[in-house]
Amino acid sequence: DTAVSQTPKYLVTQMGNDKSIKCEQNLGHDTMYWYKQDSKKFLKIMFSYNNKELIINETVPNRFSPKSPDKAHLNLHINSLELGDSAVYFCASSQAGTATEAFFGQGTRLTVV
Amino acid sequence: TQLLEQSPQFLSIQEGENLTVYCNSSSVFSSLQWYRQEPGEGPVLLVTVVTGGEVKKLKRLTFQFGDARKDSSLHITAAQPGDTGLYLCARTSGTYKYIFGTGTRLKVLA
Repeated sequence: DTAVSQTPKYLVTQMGNDKSIKCEQNLGHDTMYWYKQDSKKFLKIMFSYNNKELIINETVPNRFSPKSPDKAHLNLHINSLELGDSAVYFCASSQAGTATEAFFGQGTRLTVV
Repeated sequence: TQLLEQSPQFLSIQEGENLTVYCNSSSVFSSLQWYRQEPGEGPVLLVTVVTGGEVKKLKRLTFQFGDARKDSSLHITAAQPGDTGLYLCARTSGTYKYIFGTGTRLKVLA
């Protein structure tokens, strides 16, 4: 049973389109995240949510809008996609606290053409 | 901004060789984690170290947390092709944020 699942795994779309990535965790965690991994494999936080509330927005353009309908779900909607948005996007979850383990989804490879 | 620098950035070695990966910061941190990411997958936690000078072993992998809690190392003995992947150190910043290192891409050739 997959702990953190995100869909789709691959997404190819044209510039200017709007797309969504869905994420669900079945671990009972109270905190969920979106991370972006660039072509150099650098993993950078975008958003974190705790109990459905936005806690961190790491200066992400407002074309990116996360939504957490409940503690187990954190979706990411992206408007007006740009070439520079091409990357791998990871959803993750953890129990809030320092040094707790973060569990990641398999990633969504977004390619904007 | 609390950057975690890893070295080397890339490492390609033969099966059976030993290697060490380093993670350095100018800041003191209360704990440090190491993750491994395989192609097409998300990072998976290998270990968490919390005490300065702490050494933890996971089969052929040995993790050390620096005495001053500003650095950490990962040593792999007798590397195998299955060790191939991206190794990431990470720290938590507050309760709701993981900061990852710049990464080390390891390839072990059979």
